[in-house]
Amino acid sequence: TQLLEQSPQFLSIQEGENLTVYCNSSSVFSSLQWYRQEPGEGPVLLVTVVTGGEVKKLKRLTFQFGDARKDSSLHITAAQPGDTGLYLCAGAGAGTASKLTFGTGTRLQVTL
Amino acid sequence: NAGVTQTPKFQVLKTGQSMTLQCAQDMNHEYMSWYRQDPGMGLRLIHYSVGAGITDQGEVPNGYNVSRSTTEDFPLRLLSAAPSQTSVYFCASRRGSYNEQFFGPGTRLTVL
Repeated sequence: TQLLEQSPQFLSIQEGENLTVYCNSSSVFSSLQWYRQEPGEGPVLLVTVVTGGEVKKLKRLTFQFGDARKDSSLHITAAQPGDTGLYLCAGAGAGTASKLTFGTGTRLQVTL
Repeated sequence: NAGVTQTPKFQVLKTGQSMTLQCAQDMNHEYMSWYRQDPGMGLRLIHYSVGAGITDQGEVPNGYNVSRSTTEDFPLRLLSAAPSQTSVYFCASRRGSYNEQFFGPGTRLTVL
Protein backbone atom coordinates (compact mmCIF):
# COMPACT_ATOMS: atom_id res chain seq x y z
CA THR A 1 0.00 0.00 0.00
CA GLN A 2 1.38 3.37 -0.99
CA LEU A 3 1.39 5.95 1.80
CA LEU A 4 1.56 9.71 1.58
CA GLU A 5 2.52 11.62 4.69
CA GLN A 6 1.81 15.30 4.97
CA SER A 7 3.40 17.73 7.35
CA PRO A 8 2.56 19.66 9.30
CA GLN A 9 -0.88 18.36 10.22
CA PHE A 10 -2.01 21.75 11.49
CA LEU A 11 -0.76 25.24 10.81
CA SER A 12 -2.08 28.48 12.22
CA ILE A 13 -0.45 31.65 10.90
CA GLN A 14 -1.18 35.33 10.53
CA GLU A 15 -2.03 37.09 7.31
CA GLY A 16 1.07 37.99 5.32
CA GLU A 17 3.24 35.11 6.54
CA ASN A 18 4.77 32.50 4.25
CA LEU A 19 4.39 28.75 4.73
CA THR A 20 5.35 25.42 3.20
CA VAL A 21 3.44 22.15 3.33
CA TYR A 22 5.20 18.88 2.59
CA CYS A 23 3.95 15.64 1.07
CA ASN A 24 6.30 12.66 1.31
CA SER A 25 6.26 9.03 0.27
CA SER A 26 8.62 6.11 -0.22
CA SER A 27 6.78 5.29 -3.45
CA VAL A 28 7.23 6.77 -6.89
CA PHE A 29 4.18 8.39 -8.44
CA SER A 30 3.38 9.02 -12.06
CA SER A 31 1.76 12.32 -11.12
CA LEU A 32 0.85 14.19 -7.98
CA GLN A 33 -2.09 16.47 -7.32
CA TRP A 34 -2.90 19.07 -4.70
CA TYR A 35 -6.45 19.78 -3.58
CA ARG A 36 -7.97 22.34 -1.22
CA GLN A 37 -11.07 21.54 0.79
CA GLU A 38 -13.20 24.08 2.61
CA PRO A 39 -15.57 23.13 5.44
CA GLY A 40 -18.72 21.39 4.23
CA GLU A 41 -17.47 21.03 0.68
CA GLY A 42 -15.63 18.53 -1.46
CA PRO A 43 -11.93 18.86 -2.35
CA VAL A 44 -11.14 21.08 -5.32
CA LEU A 45 -8.18 20.38 -7.58
CA LEU A 46 -5.49 23.07 -7.48
CA VAL A 47 -2.72 21.60 -9.62
CA THR A 48 -1.22 18.46 -11.12
CA VAL A 49 2.55 17.96 -11.40
CA VAL A 50 3.88 15.18 -13.57
CA THR A 51 7.61 15.67 -14.19
CA GLY A 52 10.36 15.20 -11.61
CA GLY A 53 11.61 18.62 -10.52
CA GLU A 54 8.62 20.40 -12.01
CA VAL A 55 7.56 23.71 -10.48
CA LYS A 56 4.13 25.22 -11.05
CA LYS A 57 2.83 28.54 -9.83
CA LEU A 58 -0.77 29.47 -9.18
CA LYS A 59 -0.81 33.12 -8.09
CA ARG A 60 0.75 33.06 -4.59
CA LEU A 61 0.96 29.25 -4.49
CA THR A 62 4.06 27.42 -5.71
CA PHE A 63 4.02 23.66 -6.16
CA GLN A 64 7.10 21.50 -6.65
CA PHE A 65 7.43 17.81 -7.54
CA GLY A 66 10.55 16.11 -6.21
CA ASP A 67 13.22 15.00 -8.65
CA ALA A 68 12.54 11.34 -7.83
CA ARG A 69 8.75 11.86 -7.98
CA LYS A 70 8.32 10.65 -4.39
CA ASP A 71 7.57 13.95 -2.73
CA SER A 72 6.07 17.36 -3.29
CA SER A 73 5.75 20.71 -1.58
CA LEU A 74 3.30 23.56 -1.57
CA HIS A 75 4.56 27.02 -0.69
CA ILE A 76 2.19 29.91 -0.04
CA THR A 77 3.55 33.44 -0.13
CA ALA A 78 1.87 36.18 1.89
CA ALA A 79 -0.99 34.02 3.12
CA GLN A 80 -4.48 35.47 3.20
CA PRO A 81 -7.58 34.42 5.19
CA GLY A 82 -9.02 33.04 1.95
CA ASP A 83 -6.24 30.44 1.92
CA THR A 84 -7.75 28.81 5.02
CA GLY A 85 -8.72 25.19 4.43
CA LEU A 86 -7.56 21.59 4.32
CA TYR A 87 -4.81 20.92 1.79
CA LEU A 88 -4.56 17.39 0.44
CA CYS A 89 -1.94 15.84 -1.78
CA ALA A 90 -2.74 12.78 -3.87
CA GLY A 91 -0.42 10.53 -5.82
CA ALA A 92 -1.35 8.56 -8.91
CA GLY A 93 0.26 5.54 -10.46
CA ALA A 94 0.65 5.08 -14.18
CA GLY A 95 -2.40 4.47 -16.35
CA THR A 96 -5.85 6.00 -16.54
CA ALA A 97 -7.33 3.32 -14.27
CA SER A 98 -4.82 3.72 -11.46
CA LYS A 99 -6.09 4.59 -8.01
CA LEU A 100 -5.21 7.77 -6.20
CA THR A 101 -3.52 7.67 -2.82
CA PHE A 102 -4.44 10.62 -0.64
CA GLY A 103 -2.38 12.14 2.13
CA THR A 104 -3.98 12.82 5.51
CA GLY A 105 -4.04 16.53 4.91
CA THR A 106 -2.73 19.78 6.34
CA ARG A 107 -5.25 22.05 7.99
CA LEU A 108 -4.30 25.69 7.50
CA GLN A 109 -5.82 28.62 9.33
CA VAL A 110 -4.87 32.14 8.37
CA THR A 111 -5.97 34.88 10.75
CA LEU A 112 -6.02 38.65 10.37
CA ASN B 1 -22.54 22.00 -16.19
CA ALA B 2 -23.52 20.96 -12.68
CA GLY B 3 -20.37 18.83 -12.30
CA VAL B 4 -20.77 16.12 -9.66
CA THR B 5 -23.94 16.19 -7.58
CA GLN B 6 -24.73 14.19 -4.46
CA THR B 7 -27.90 13.66 -2.48
CA PRO B 8 -28.76 13.84 0.33
CA LYS B 9 -26.49 16.42 1.97
CA PHE B 10 -27.19 15.06 5.46
CA GLN B 11 -28.63 11.77 6.69
CA VAL B 12 -29.21 10.14 10.06
CA LEU B 13 -29.82 6.39 10.19
CA LYS B 14 -30.42 3.87 12.90
CA THR B 15 -28.22 0.80 13.14
CA GLY B 16 -29.43 -1.85 10.72
CA GLN B 17 -31.21 0.48 8.33
CA SER B 18 -30.28 0.56 4.66
CA MET B 19 -30.07 3.49 2.29
CA THR B 20 -28.65 4.65 -1.02
CA LEU B 21 -26.43 7.67 -1.50
CA GLN B 22 -26.96 9.16 -4.93
CA CYS B 23 -24.22 10.50 -7.20
CA ALA B 24 -24.47 11.90 -10.71
CA GLN B 25 -22.06 13.67 -13.07
CA ASP B 26 -22.67 15.47 -16.35
CA MET B 27 -19.07 15.60 -17.62
CA ASN B 28 -19.20 12.26 -19.46
CA HIS B 29 -16.35 10.88 -17.35
CA GLU B 30 -15.90 7.14 -17.47
CA TYR B 31 -14.17 6.78 -14.10
CA MET B 32 -16.12 7.39 -10.90
CA SER B 33 -15.28 6.70 -7.25
CA TRP B 34 -16.73 6.75 -3.77
CA TYR B 35 -14.60 7.85 -0.80
CA ARG B 36 -15.20 8.24 2.87
CA GLN B 37 -13.44 10.90 4.89
CA ASP B 38 -12.81 10.46 8.58
CA PRO B 39 -10.79 12.70 10.92
CA GLY B 40 -7.09 11.91 10.79
CA MET B 41 -7.52 9.23 8.12
CA GLY B 42 -7.81 11.23 4.94
CA LEU B 43 -9.88 10.04 2.00
CA ARG B 44 -10.25 6.30 1.68
CA LEU B 45 -11.53 4.62 -1.47
CA ILE B 46 -14.66 2.49 -1.03
CA HIS B 47 -15.56 1.42 -4.57
CA TYR B 48 -14.81 2.64 -8.04
CA SER B 49 -15.99 2.16 -11.61
CA VAL B 50 -14.07 2.50 -14.86
CA GLY B 51 -17.23 2.60 -16.95
CA ALA B 52 -20.86 1.56 -17.16
CA GLY B 53 -21.30 -2.02 -16.03
CA ILE B 54 -17.84 -2.25 -14.43
CA THR B 55 -17.19 -1.79 -10.72
CA ASP B 56 -14.45 -2.85 -8.35
CA GLN B 57 -13.55 -2.67 -4.68
CA GLY B 58 -11.35 -0.06 -3.13
CA GLU B 59 -9.60 0.03 0.22
CA VAL B 60 -12.66 -0.18 2.50
CA PRO B 61 -15.52 -1.89 0.62
CA ASN B 62 -17.13 -3.93 3.40
CA GLY B 63 -20.75 -2.99 4.11
CA TYR B 64 -21.20 -1.11 0.83
CA ASN B 65 -22.47 -2.02 -2.63
CA VAL B 66 -22.32 -0.11 -5.89
CA SER B 67 -23.66 -0.45 -9.40
CA ARG B 68 -23.07 1.52 -12.59
CA SER B 69 -25.86 1.15 -15.11
CA THR B 70 -25.16 4.47 -16.87
CA THR B 71 -22.13 6.71 -17.35
CA GLU B 72 -23.83 9.47 -15.37
CA ASP B 73 -24.94 7.70 -12.19
CA PHE B 74 -23.00 5.83 -9.51
CA PRO B 75 -25.10 5.13 -6.39
CA LEU B 76 -23.61 3.78 -3.16
CA ARG B 77 -25.75 1.44 -1.06
CA LEU B 78 -25.34 0.81 2.64
CA LEU B 79 -26.75 -2.64 3.25
CA SER B 80 -27.15 -2.59 7.05
CA ALA B 81 -25.84 0.61 8.58
CA ALA B 82 -23.42 0.42 11.50
CA PRO B 83 -22.06 3.24 13.74
CA SER B 84 -18.62 2.64 12.16
CA GLN B 85 -20.06 3.94 8.90
CA THR B 86 -20.62 7.38 10.39
CA SER B 87 -18.55 9.54 8.06
CA VAL B 88 -18.59 12.06 5.26
CA TYR B 89 -18.98 10.42 1.86
CA PHE B 90 -17.66 11.92 -1.35
CA CYS B 91 -18.35 10.86 -4.89
CA ALA B 92 -15.84 11.83 -7.57
CA SER B 93 -15.43 11.54 -11.30
CA ARG B 94 -12.15 11.93 -13.07
CA ARG B 95 -10.71 12.86 -16.40
CA GLY B 96 -7.57 12.70 -18.36
CA SER B 97 -4.42 10.72 -18.28
CA TYR B 98 -3.35 12.33 -14.98
CA ASN B 99 -6.44 11.13 -13.10
CA GLU B 100 -7.61 14.57 -12.00
CA GLN B 101 -10.68 14.21 -9.84
CA PHE B 102 -13.80 16.30 -9.49
CA PHE B 103 -15.60 15.84 -6.19
CA GLY B 104 -19.21 16.27 -5.23
CA PRO B 105 -20.21 18.32 -2.18
CA GLY B 106 -20.43 15.27 0.09
CA THR B 107 -23.02 13.50 2.24
CA ARG B 108 -22.63 13.66 6.00
CA LEU B 109 -23.97 10.40 7.41
CA THR B 110 -24.58 9.65 11.07
CA VAL B 111 -25.50 6.15 12.19
CA LEU B 112 -26.96 5.92 15.68
